[in-house]
Amino acid sequence: AQSVAQPEDQVNVAEGNPLTVKCTYSVSGNPYLFWYVQYPNRGLQFLLKYITGDNLVKGSYGFEAEFNKSQTSFHLKKPSALVSDSALYFCAVRDPQLGAGNMLTFGGGTRLMVKP
Amino acid sequence: EAGVAQSPRYKIIEKRQSVAFWCNPISGHATLYWYQQILGQGPKLLIQFQNNGVVDDSQLPKDRFSAERLKGVDSTLKIQPAKLEDSAVYLCASSLVGGSTDTQYFGPGTRLTVL
Repeated sequence: AQSVAQPEDQVNVAEGNPLTVKCTYSVSGNPYLFWYVQYPNRGLQFLLKYITGDNLVKGSYGFEAEFNKSQTSFHLKKPSALVSDSALYFCAVRDPQLGAGNMLTFGGGTRLMVKP
Repeated sequence: EAGVAQSPRYKIIEKRQSVAFWCNPISGHATLYWYQQILGQGPKLLIQFQNNGVVDDSQLPKDRFSAERLKGVDSTLKIQPAKLEDSAVYLCASSLVGGSTDTQYFGPGTRLTVL
């Protein structure tokens, strides 16, 4: 089975400060990990993914995420937050050992609030 | 490049009525997914198509939900009859080939309210 946990329902940060949105996962093998962002009344927008290789992955809009196998984590980070980053963020995992199908399992989401 | 298109964007129905949602994936994408997103939760996969064949429908409530992708392009998801707990956003996504490293691209969703 594959699962994802986002331990914080909401993260508050001041504009210009660094932000971190946490994600931990559970899979039987090596995971494929994804981050998506959702703005109000919009679908999910892809930010970045980790498949293999460098543990630090860079994505859209200045976001990056660090894969940590020993801690089974894939935290999303940005050096300097913008008010426009305020949205709902979802971490997702896929276990390639599950075979047929391409099912992503999503976390419950973390609301990021960036205050001016 | 046009994204994933969905219609309608909003739908309000009474319980026990039927409803259908439509999705047109990104051009050239072989794989199409339908997700259900209940308020306050992450999306949950309902069904995955590879071209016009079903790859995974293990989480689709088949007594009331059905989906088809007859020509391997656009798709419809139907609920008949609807229950109150079906109130959710229904998201369609597509990916190029359906491989495990593929990125899924999502449409804007259809918000269903069942009264």
